[in-house]
Amino acid sequence: DGGITQSPKYLFRKEGQNVTLSCEQNLNHDAMYWYRQDPGQGLRLIYYSQIVNDFQKGDIAEGYSVSREKKESFPLTVTSAQKNPTAFYLCASRVLGGTYSNQPQHFGDGTRLSIL
Amino acid sequence: GQNIDQPTEMTATEGAIVQINCTYQTSGFNGLFWYQQHAGEAPTFLSYNVLDGLEEKGRFSSFLSRSKGYSYLLLKELQMKDSASYLCAVREINYGQNFVFGPGTRLSVLP
Repeated sequence: DGGITQSPKYLFRKEGQNVTLSCEQNLNHDAMYWYRQDPGQGLRLIYYSQIVNDFQKGDIAEGYSVSREKKESFPLTVTSAQKNPTAFYLCASRVLGGTYSNQPQHFGDGTRLSIL
Repeated sequence: GQNIDQPTEMTATEGAIVQINCTYQTSGFNGLFWYQQHAGEAPTFLSYNVLDGLEEKGRFSSFLSRSKGYSYLLLKELQMKDSASYLCAVREINYGQNFVFGPGTRLSVLP
């Protein structure tokens, strides 16, 4: 079955440490996205990529980095510069259709990151 | 700028009908999506509207009025498993065709 796989499900970060969250999709989707979700808030866009070897900052990119070396993979690194990393992180992907495409974003099961 | 509002919480009774509203202000509207999200899980796609009117999918329907910047999700014959958060998201032309998500409405279905 096609889908989006995020790992790990739970992750703990120590002070000054960088951690990387994995996101892999086998849906052959062009675009991939990383969101952060905090309690009582909507999903906020961190980074997105519409093509291999290219990515764009979202609304809250500071303290995060990404790469898109393969179409299937879009890992997110939470750097030590991100002072409040505790949140639920969701990866999504989507087909890029025409202007009026009805293609939704499909989400992975998320990674919950906490500070030790 | 973009702004999406939804009620924070709603409560309804099993078997009843509930309407969850979403109002939005965007500069380049290009479609509205509703998602369901159970606690600690991934959002799952429910419905899509780009033209005015009602879209029906089984127990779930979604309505859009572009002139009013308004949508609602209607859930009929509520079941306990419908207890979840419901997210309204607008695809925005001036935001790289990306999605802007509302804060979500947490629905509790009581027996």
